[in-house]
Amino acid sequence: DGGITQSPKYLFRKEGQNVTLSCEQNLNHDAMYWYRQDPGQGLRLIYYSQIVNDFQKGDIAEGYSVSREKKESFPLTVTSAQKNPTAFYLCASSTSEGDVYEQYFGPGTRLTVT
Amino acid sequence: GQNIDQPTEMTATEGAIVQINCTYQTSGFNGLFWYQQHAGEAPTFLSYNVLDGLEEKGRFSSFLSRSKGYSYLLLKELQMKDSASYLCAVMDSNYQLIWGAGTKLIIKP
Repeated sequence: DGGITQSPKYLFRKEGQNVTLSCEQNLNHDAMYWYRQDPGQGLRLIYYSQIVNDFQKGDIAEGYSVSREKKESFPLTVTSAQKNPTAFYLCASSTSEGDVYEQYFGPGTRLTVT
Repeated sequence: GQNIDQPTEMTATEGAIVQINCTYQTSGFNGLFWYQQHAGEAPTFLSYNVLDGLEEKGRFSSFLSRSKGYSYLLLKELQMKDSASYLCAVMDSNYQLIWGAGTKLIIKP
């Protein structure tokens, strides 16, 4: 059964700690994305990667870091430099094959920092 | 700047029809997507329009007018399970998705 997994679903951290959110896909998609969703706002792009060992900053990359060592995995680290890290984080993947660049989403991780 | 506008919230009655509008201004256009998102869950793909006109898929239809920068999602025979947020997103010239804030649809019996 192909899909995207994110773990954990809920994550609690103290202010000043770095935390890493995992994202794994077995869809054989080249492109992967990290979004942040806050109440009343659209999804905002944090980072994206179109190929292994390469990634680009999105609109709100400050305070975040990523790696793409394997095609299947795209972990996101929320660093202590991120001023307002409490949010719902969504990972997505897509393929460039075909005419529709539909993005498939994982179930999300809700991060709470106190 | 790039902008996607859609109503914040709409209410409709079970069994009725509802139309959710989306207007956009983006740097380039490579298609418009509609996603459904239930509270606390991931968005799921509903439809994709890249040419003008109406695309029908069961109870859901999506319309696009590129000259007007306008799209709508039409939901027929509303069911309680259709209570969700509906997200409009446009793929820009860099093939990145620009997202609207979403329309929360409330279905009443």
